[in-house]
Amino acid sequence: GQQVMQIPQYQHVQEGEDFTTYCNSSTTLSNIQWYKQRPGGHPVFLIQLVKSGEVKKQKRLTFQFGEAKKNSSLHITATQTTDVGTYFCAGLKTGANNLFFGTGTRLTVIP
Amino acid sequence: EAGVAQSPRYKIIEKRQSVAFWCNPISGHATLYWYQQILGQGPKLLIQFQNNGVVDDSQLPKDRFSAERLKGVDSTLKIQPAKLEDSAVYLCASSLGSPLYGYTFGSGTRLTVV
Repeated sequence: GQQVMQIPQYQHVQEGEDFTTYCNSSTTLSNIQWYKQRPGGHPVFLIQLVKSGEVKKQKRLTFQFGEAKKNSSLHITATQTTDVGTYFCAGLKTGANNLFFGTGTRLTVIP
Repeated sequence: EAGVAQSPRYKIIEKRQSVAFWCNPISGHATLYWYQQILGQGPKLLIQFQNNGVVDDSQLPKDRFSAERLKGVDSTLKIQPAKLEDSAVYLCASSLGSPLYGYTFGSGTRLTVV
């Protein structure tokens, strides 16, 4: 079956350091979305990537979709304590009707 | 706009009991999803509705789980009888149509089966 793996599973950083999480799918995706889930909260939609090699930025967050549309990354520059949470990628397989969520990367930011 | 409403927020039941969760999606969102999120894992799809029809229930344990969306608006998810391994957060999400618009999740129902 379809699998979407994320690495690392956990990441602790000092405030101000950069952070990157990687998402790898076993199958080619038509698009990929990223969600953030704060501790005790629910996933919140961040962004969607559709095109091969696409790069999008949201302030300190940079999202990238791989050329083969099987992997993606989220990079946060100069982390802040408000970045704490679990970041999930979610892939949409071509022809599928719903998203398959990755395993998530839990980010802790140490002040 | 109002978000996705879910109730109850928390529920504790004994194994073999039954439980029901309710979800009211964002007005105008045709597609409604129920996801199960076990602690430390990503959300896993249980069932997807488009209006009042089921689009995908391939991962729904149908021997104990059931869901309905009779009027194409709000939805209920039921577990009967519950097992210990059903302890999880049950998330309802909605989208305008296809997943291409992104999902809006509700706050979820945290179920503990003891």
